[in-house]
Amino acid sequence: GAVVSQHPSWVICKSGTSVKIECRSLDFQATTMFWYRQFPKQSLMLMATSNEGSKATYEQGVEKDKFLINHASLTLSTLTVTSAHPEDSSFYICSARLAGPIFEYEQYFGPGTRLTVT
Amino acid sequence: GQNIDQPTEMTATEGAIVQINCTYQTSGFNGLFWYQQHAGEAPTFLSYNVLDGLEEKGRFSSFLSRSKGYSYLLLKELQMKDSASYLCAILDSNYQLIWGAGTKLIIKP
Repeated sequence: GAVVSQHPSWVICKSGTSVKIECRSLDFQATTMFWYRQFPKQSLMLMATSNEGSKATYEQGVEKDKFLINHASLTLSTLTVTSAHPEDSSFYICSARLAGPIFEYEQYFGPGTRLTVT
Repeated sequence: GQNIDQPTEMTATEGAIVQINCTYQTSGFNGLFWYQQHAGEAPTFLSYNVLDGLEEKGRFSSFLSRSKGYSYLLLKELQMKDSASYLCAILDSNYQLIWGAGTKLIIKP
């Protein structure tokens, strides 16, 4: 159980275009989802936290107008990278939080999306 | 400030035992997670400690000392597939996960 999927798994786009990444919790409802970015050989960097039905909370330094997050349902969150530039090329990972009796606040990660902007 | 320290890289031999340390200073503490991340893949959950002591799960064990701000992940009977990065993460007072930079573990035959 507690499976999170992401789509697409990899995408190549041209500079100036927009890319949408979907994150779905397949077998549970996730009230909170997280979006991370990871550059090569670096650790995870939290970009934003999204709660279903409300606006996402962005980390300092993350442009909310560039990285649009929508958490329309308890099983789906989307990240749209608008006007992508080569420096946005990275590994984007979503996670969903499942509150349970043992592993409360454990995050389940999607497989990640590798974005390359040319 | 928030600070989590892990060694950047460690090397061990197949079949041996390795201990990966994590020290932390965070605003509040609601638990410590260890995740494994293979190159190019997302992290996968290994363990969660919120009370002091040792949690054993198969070949992997995780230890926590809250008074010392210290944890370690112990991997026994190392296998080549254990080559990965191991991430220590703290759940702070706001229930946000604060991530360490990760320890890259290299297993040699």
